[in-house]
Amino acid sequence: EADIYQTPRYLVIGTGKKITLECSQTMGHDKMYWYQQDPGMELHLIHYSYGVNSTEKGDLSSESTVSRIRTEHFPLTLESARPSHTSQYLCASSDRAPRTDTQYFGPGTRLTVL
Amino acid sequence: GNSVTQMEGPVTLSEEAFLTINCTYTATGYPSLFWYVQYPGEGLQLLLKATKADDKGSNKGFEATYRKETTSFHLEKGSVQVSDSAVYFCALQTGANNLFFGTGTRLTVIP
Repeated sequence: EADIYQTPRYLVIGTGKKITLECSQTMGHDKMYWYQQDPGMELHLIHYSYGVNSTEKGDLSSESTVSRIRTEHFPLTLESARPSHTSQYLCASSDRAPRTDTQYFGPGTRLTVL
Repeated sequence: GNSVTQMEGPVTLSEEAFLTINCTYTATGYPSLFWYVQYPGEGLQLLLKATKADDKGSNKGFEATYRKETTSFHLEKGSVQVSDSAVYFCALQTGANNLFFGTGTRLTVIP
């Protein structure tokens, strides 16, 4: 069973506020990911990290930023939230099996920007 | 390039009905294939996977066989339950690259 945590689970915030979505995993995984899930369910990779001090942009351009100072922690920050940022944000991490990187997902943060 | 085409939903079945959710893929190289499930209000959970041609992944009564000749990885279950109601995602991965997800199929099972 995977141990990956996201806080808060739900967040309603006004336009222009700075927010940080937290993601932590206790499995010692090197790789971590952030996905944005739209109401139509489709998942879009917005950031990932190979390990400490590594961050990469994903397939979908995002105004958010991430940092990876510790292996277990991969927070996502929005400097100035807008209604277009309203979405579900999913964090994941993966081990390095010989041939595949099985990803384990957190429960998600549902963000609503008014 | 890599892509996953997944059967569009929503799918509604009666309890104990047979389930098939189609998934086909295009990939460079030899991908690993996955099915993830997302229950309401939760993140994704790995349901099953297969790493090479003709492998069969299975879990909780669900099965999928990696068919290289038809580039498919269809999800099946012989008798669905109300608790199987969820969104199902097919995905592929090549080498150490990131996952490519299908668009998801919502399944609703009615008593």
